[in-house]
Amino acid sequence: AQKVTQAQTEISVVEKEDVTLDCVYETRDTTYYLFWYKQPPSGELVFLIRRNSFDEQNEISGRYSWNFQKSTSSFNFTITASQVVDSAVYFCALSEDYRGYSTLTFGKGTMLLVSP
Amino acid sequence: DTAVSQTPKYLVTQMGNDKSIKCEQNLGHDTMYWYKQDSKKFLKIMFSYNNKELIINETVPNRFSPKSPDKAHLNLHINSLELGDSAVYFCASSQELGRQANTGELFFGEGSRLTVL
Repeated sequence: AQKVTQAQTEISVVEKEDVTLDCVYETRDTTYYLFWYKQPPSGELVFLIRRNSFDEQNEISGRYSWNFQKSTSSFNFTITASQVVDSAVYFCALSEDYRGYSTLTFGKGTMLLVSP
Repeated sequence: DTAVSQTPKYLVTQMGNDKSIKCEQNLGHDTMYWYKQDSKKFLKIMFSYNNKELIINETVPNRFSPKSPDKAHLNLHINSLELGDSAVYFCASSQELGRQANTGELFFGEGSRLTVL
């Protein structure tokens, strides 16, 4: 079973539109961490946010916001007023304990294309 | 200084060859990883080492052999390269703080794009 599901393979929007990237996860751990990474066309993985399982407060950072809902096992990411530079592949990831070590499992990614 | 550095960044080689990708981290972390990103962008863990000891070994062909000479280095050697090995390989590191304390945050290198012809 897939542990991190990003159902949207690709999303296309026009600049200034708001867009939400969905992430649903599955875990048996009570303590875990959720992440979002951005991979621009240049290929590097850029860390965006980390959220632990005990903190369900939503977070806003500039045009980015994250909605963590434990009840639905979701950790969605919204970009407000999207820009062309937001075009990238976005990965949601889950960190769980593995024999005392952490292991990061990625979703399959959502490619976001923002056109002018 | 780059925190996690991989070399080479690009590697083009023929089927059947043996090649290595090197990774070094200067963050003082205990744990290092290799991830593979295939043509569909799917990122999957291959190996994890903690203080030179193998922790995670996912279903990876025996042709792939990680080597960790010290905790700051984790190299990936691939024998008898096949077309399907073409991918971007990411090295990463993290600091293990113990059960329940780990944040799970990984620091990634820039990736090494391997193309097998």
